[in-house]
Amino acid sequence: GAVVSQHPSWVICKSGTSVKIECRSLDFQATTMFWYRQFPKQSLMLMATSNEGSKATYEQGVEKDKFLINHASLTLSTLTVTSAHPEDSSFYICSATAEVNTEAFFGQGTRLTVV
Amino acid sequence: AQSVTQPDIHITVSEGASLELRCNYSYGATPYLFWYVQSPGQGLQLLLKYFSGDTLVQGIKGFEAEFKRSQSSFTLRKPSVHWSDAAEYFCAVGAYTGGFKTIFGAGTRLFVKA
Repeated sequence: GAVVSQHPSWVICKSGTSVKIECRSLDFQATTMFWYRQFPKQSLMLMATSNEGSKATYEQGVEKDKFLINHASLTLSTLTVTSAHPEDSSFYICSATAEVNTEAFFGQGTRLTVV
Repeated sequence: AQSVTQPDIHITVSEGASLELRCNYSYGATPYLFWYVQSPGQGLQLLLKYFSGDTLVQGIKGFEAEFKRSQSSFTLRKPSVHWSDAAEYFCAVGAYTGGFKTIFGAGTRLFVKA
């Protein structure tokens, strides 16, 4: 299958700072990328859908000013958690698809801890 | 909109015994169905997927799944569980809604006892 890479794998940041997570499709062009959030022992909740060159579409209840998503190229999407607080600590996972795909390809996830 | 229900929050199985994990979905059209496994602190690994054709699909690690349209179900099975199968299992349904969107069930945690 296609390869999707997330960076960093884990990050610790101080409250009030911002942190950026990158999601890259390594061997295909991803027209659409998705960002998920997973709390401990819970399922993956879809946060937003981003299409290359367009504004992201956020799911209900997700603060767009808090979670900034940029999909500037067909191989890169970024999620920036702004003014992070301890309650933002979570596991964030991205997925990527191309128009011809019949499945999404997932990154390995990023563990964010806000202290 | 698609949705997925996994009725069992956790299941305990003896090593060597058979496993069955249940999943029901809701979607208006022909669904794309998936089973993923996640070990603690790790990302997702795709076990198998169903798009069309034979309703019994084979996956990796000895897993298989049966699709039943009449019951809107996609049941994961394994004949003989190994201790290394202990993990969280997610059933998911995918659909084209501005990209291939995947929606996950709540997950079933599998415990394997010796």
